[in-house]
This record gives sequence, C-alpha cells and structure tokens, in this order.
Amino acid sequence: AQSVTQLGSHVSVSEGALVLLRCNYSSSVPPYLFWYVQYPNQGLQLLLKYTSAATLVKGINGFEAEFKKSETSFHLTKPSAHMSDAAEYFCAVHSNTGKLIFGQGTTLQVKP
Amino acid sequence: DTAVSQTPKYLVTQMGNDKSIKCEQNLGHDTMYWYKQDSKKFLKIMFSYNNKELIINETVPNRFSPKSPDKAHLNLHINSLELGDSAVYFCASSPGLAGGVYNEQFFGPGTRLTVL
Repeated sequence: AQSVTQLGSHVSVSEGALVLLRCNYSSSVPPYLFWYVQYPNQGLQLLLKYTSAATLVKGINGFEAEFKKSETSFHLTKPSAHMSDAAEYFCAVHSNTGKLIFGQGTTLQVKP
Repeated sequence: DTAVSQTPKYLVTQMGNDKSIKCEQNLGHDTMYWYKQDSKKFLKIMFSYNNKELIINETVPNRFSPKSPDKAHLNLHINSLELGDSAVYFCASSPGLAGGVYNEQFFGPGTRLTVL
C-alpha cells in the first residue's frame, strides 16, 4: 500500500530564506506524487506533480521538488520565501486503486 | 467561472438533522471525489465516482450517501448528523487515469460543516 509521510508539521522561515518541506513516500510501484497548497479557508491547489517524466519538477510560484528514488523522497523547495507562501502544504501519492493519499500536512510560517 | 464549486460554503446545524452538500464541476472530468478534512487538517477520501458510477467507498458510516445525477455533479447527503461529522468537506474532480498516468485532482473551496 502506498503512503506518504511529511516530516515536520510546522516549518518557520524568514522572508527571503530557503523553504524546504520534506516528504517521504512508500510505494511498491512507481509512484505518482503531488504537492498541493491550501491557503486559509480555501480549497487545495496543485503546486506540482511527478509522473516519472523528469526527477526535478518545477511548479507554480517558484516551487520545485526533486524525486529521489534511492531516498524515497519528494521534498519541496523554494529558494526565497515570500510572505504570501504562508499556507498549509500537502504531499500526496496516488494509490494503484485510484485514491489520492495525503500526508499529514506542513504549516509554513513566513516571518518578516 | 469556477471550475469546481460547492454549496453551501458554511453549514451549521443541530445533531440529528439531515443535510446535503452539492458539488458541480465544469471541467468535463469523468471522476469526482468527496474528501473530509478534520480539525487537524488531515485529508481523507470518502467516495469517488466515475461517470456516475461509485468506484471508491471508504469505510464511511452509511449515514453518508453520495449521489451523482450526472458526471458533472456529485452531491453528499448526510443523515442523522453527529458531533463528529463536524469538518470541512471538499469535492474534487479529475480526468482520472489517462495514458497510464494519474492526473491531478481539482478541488472545490470546501464546505465547513458544524454540528451543534
């Protein structure tokens, strides 16, 4: 069965600093991995997705993630945090039965 | 023009009542979903429909009954509401599996249900 684990339920960075949100997956088949962002009182919005085409995936708003099979990781990064990046971030994997399985979520706080 | 819309956005009701949440998507997708997000923000799938047919039914109390009148709509009816049903419910849609690749899901804005 597929699963994802997000390390760190809360990450705090200063504006302009590097953002690193960690996600590790477990899958017996090649995974389809996603990062979603949820702004306060809104639905989820796709940041980026990995579907085996390229290991470094670029998304919206300057985010990117690198798929590392050897480490079973799909960490999300952004070189320079902006105040508007403060939100809840979810890593997810598609199960082979069609379900999207989410991690526990990481709250990103950006301090001025 | 909203891609996935839900009504109502907020729903406050008493225990024991029956309520419905409506979802519509104008993306032409074949697959729609209902998710529940609890107070700790954990998201879990409840149901999935593909072309009006139920394909995923997680261990959800049978007080919850989804209905899909057509592939653009997926409604959620909840009978005999309980305190523990308080959560945010999200509808989503997706093209599903295409070319051997699972596509992303598009989420609605959510319905915050509060049971008193």
